[in-house]
Amino acid sequence: NAGVTQTPKFQVLKTGQSMTLQCAQDMNHEYMSWYRQDPGMGLRLIHYSVGAGITDQGEVPNGYNVSRSTTEDFPLRLLSAAPSQTSVYFCASSYSRPASSYNSPLHFGNGTRLTVT
Amino acid sequence: AQTVTQSQPEMSVQEAETVTLSCTYDTSESNYYLFWYKQPPSRQMILVIRQEAYKQQNATENRFSVNFQKAAKSFSLKISDSQLGDTAMYFCAFMKPRSGGSNYKLTFGKGTLLTVNP
Repeated sequence: NAGVTQTPKFQVLKTGQSMTLQCAQDMNHEYMSWYRQDPGMGLRLIHYSVGAGITDQGEVPNGYNVSRSTTEDFPLRLLSAAPSQTSVYFCASSYSRPASSYNSPLHFGNGTRLTVT
Repeated sequence: AQTVTQSQPEMSVQEAETVTLSCTYDTSESNYYLFWYKQPPSRQMILVIRQEAYKQQNATENRFSVNFQKAAKSFSLKISDSQLGDTAMYFCAFMKPRSGGSNYKLTFGKGTLLTVNP
């Protein structure tokens, strides 16, 4: 199993450009999420999804869009990149059944380092 | 909203010694889950250990153990016989289990950078 795959690993954007960070998982997980990691801030939840067609906002959703057309994929879109979006982005997934939430903690991708100049 | 506090931004320990990383949290819930994640320089997030709030026994995973004090809302991580490969950022995380969709909304602390010196 590949687990959670994020692409690209590194990206440099100019202010105002748009791009999509890709995330795919092959574990048939219902739950998928995006976090951003900034120095001294820990990981903060951007958006999450509990299944195909269902998305919701996390702690820091502004400037980001998501969609979940399939169980496997959960892309994160930056419509107009800003320097404040310079960060490391992590996608994470897991099963969503309440009984298994403890025994099946989040599986993380290896992150995408994004720099906006 | 839940908050997780890691009061030690950086720590260091000599190889083979024991080190304890602290974590406190704030919640009004009676049942919840707590986790420690490790992030080595490779950037990968690795689950180290987990604890359910209603279990009084402290979790242990090989050289890693926790001291869970529910009344004090404290969840410290002890690493015994520290190894060079333990050098990493360590994150404490809180999860409030709920039925339906938002089971996995982990709240993370800001992290503690642990350096194991030879």
